[in-house]
Order: sequence, then C-alpha cells, then structure tokens
Amino acid sequence: EPEVTQTPSHQVTQMGQEVILRCVPISNHLYFYWYRQILGQKVEFLVSFYNNEISEKSEIFDDQFSVERPDGSNFTLKIRSTKLEDSAMYFCASSSKTGSSYEQYFGPGTRLTVT
Amino acid sequence: DAKTTQPTSMDCAEGRAANLPCNHSTISGNEYVYWYRQIHSQGPQYIIHGLKNNETNEMASLIITEDRKSSTLILPHATLRDTAVYYCIVKRIERHQFYFGTGTSLTVIP
Repeated sequence: EPEVTQTPSHQVTQMGQEVILRCVPISNHLYFYWYRQILGQKVEFLVSFYNNEISEKSEIFDDQFSVERPDGSNFTLKIRSTKLEDSAMYFCASSSKTGSSYEQYFGPGTRLTVT
Repeated sequence: DAKTTQPTSMDCAEGRAANLPCNHSTISGNEYVYWYRQIHSQGPQYIIHGLKNNETNEMASLIITEDRKSSTLILPHATLRDTAVYYCIVKRIERHQFYFGTGTSLTVIP
C-alpha cells in the first residue's frame, strides 16, 4: 500500500538555524499539506499546496516558513530561523480528489527539537 | 467548519465492538464527517468519511443520523492495536484544512 514518507525522523537544531523537513507524498496525489503537533497538544494545520501554489495557510504559517516542491517527488517545509517554540512533530500529508472529498494520508512525522 | 463534541475517553473490551459517538449539531449540507485516529504520536491515520449515508470499509463503519447532527464510528471487533485517540472532524467540501480537536482516547482492554 502506498504511503507518505518523511525524512529525517528526528532533527535536532540550534535556535536561529534553518531546517528543511522533507516529505515524499503518495505518487499520484496532487494536494500536499504540512501539520504540526507540539508535545501534548492538538494537531495543527500549517499549509496546503496545490499546482505549485499555497492554497490555504494558517496563522502559524508566517514568513518564517516556506514550502516547495523542488522536483516531481519531494515536498519540503523550510523553517528559516528556528525558535524554541518550533519544537514539535511535523507531519506531511497528501491527498487526491475522490468525488468531492479530499481524504488526507499522513506520514510518520519528523520530530524537530530546537535547543 | 462545524464544531464537534466527543467524549474525552472510553474503554472497550478486546473483541467487542467499540462505538465512538460524535455530536456535530451545527453541521451544514456541504460538510463531510471524517474520522481519523492517532496512535501514540504517530501520524494521524484516515479511517472513514461520509456525507449522509452510512459507510463501511475494511476498518470501520460510520453511522450518520438522518438529521446529520451526530454520528458513530464502529470498530466491529476491537483489538489492542486499536488503542488510540480518535478524531471526529467536520469539514466543508472545498476546504483542505482539517481541524483536529482533542478527540476520544480509546483504550482497548485485554
């Protein structure tokens, strides 16, 4: 069964550094997403991406964040200058359109620790 | 998107059916009901979704009341691996953002 993969599984970085989190969505999916989950808190939507453009973003997704689909397979989330409060699990998801529904399939996550 | 209300936690005996309720009394006609689960900090896992008809797949059944104000997710034969947080999410068709609330923490007991 096809699945979303994410690398690395765990990233440790120092405050102020840039990090890039990588995702390989399911191959025939056209919609891509990033969510995050701070330890013990809810899963929060960050951004959705379709046709090489951001289609929706939350208040969390400020100028510090950017997304890119650099080639036909990868989907990345860049955090420009990390802060302690960026420590969280980051989940990538992808979906296709089934009728008028968009069920999203999530990857296993990248645990980001900012020290 | 409509707000949902779920019990904070539930227990279920292994091998029995787990019935997880969800209230979404403000749901509108263009909103789907989705169910996801999250097993101990893993990525959320899609279970099932529906608009107004009952749905069944290899994982679960979804029963939506006729007025669409509530639904029940049924895991027919719960196993220990079904212990997870279950999220009921109502989402407009054209929106992409899923709002994950606090969900129901289901514990399957041997």
